[in-house]
Amino acid sequence: GNSVTQMEGPVTLSEEAFLTINCTYTATGYPSLFWYVQYPGEGLQLLLKATKADDKGSNKGFEATYRKETTSFHLEKGSVQVSDSAVYFCALSDSRDKIIFGKGTRLHILP
Amino acid sequence: NAGVTQTPKFQVLKTGQSMTLQCAQDMNHEYMSWYRQDPGMGLRLIHYSVGAGITDQGEVPNGYNVSRSTTEDFPLRLLSAAPSQTSVYFCASSVAAGGDRSEAFFGQGTRLTVV
Repeated sequence: GNSVTQMEGPVTLSEEAFLTINCTYTATGYPSLFWYVQYPGEGLQLLLKATKADDKGSNKGFEATYRKETTSFHLEKGSVQVSDSAVYFCALSDSRDKIIFGKGTRLHILP
Repeated sequence: NAGVTQTPKFQVLKTGQSMTLQCAQDMNHEYMSWYRQDPGMGLRLIHYSVGAGITDQGEVPNGYNVSRSTTEDFPLRLLSAAPSQTSVYFCASSVAAGGDRSEAFFGQGTRLTVV
């Protein structure tokens, strides 16, 4: 079956550092891929998505590229801010099944 | 835009009590789902519905019931609360269950404590 594996946290960085959160997936078809963000005390909200190979999703300075050859969808940001502190979830969905979430990665940004 | 509305935001129950967590969405989404979020466990799917009158079990359905009498509402019932049900519960909705229209919209969550 489909599955998502993302790096375990917490990840702690200083402000303005470069961020990478790794996400790999297993799927039999051609899934859509998502990154969700959960700020403290809130529900998840969509950060970005990509629906086919080589697509790049981007939002709020975050980017992720759908790499079918490596089955990956790593989240990156060039310069993080304290306000980026949150939990980040990688997810996938194909037309035959429900959306599946990774376990989440907690990110702490130090001023 | 209301989106997905969950009530209550916080609840404390005694073991054995029952209660209903409410979820309503105003986006005319067919697919709705309930998750629980526990430390280190990510999100686990409890029940889901692909449309009014249709529900099905997710990964952790025991101790919970759902119904979907309208497109808008998808309440989650705890039949006899147990301390193991202490968690944060999220309701979500989307246009479709899977594929590129499965972008999920989440409620703010209900933090439930069972003592």
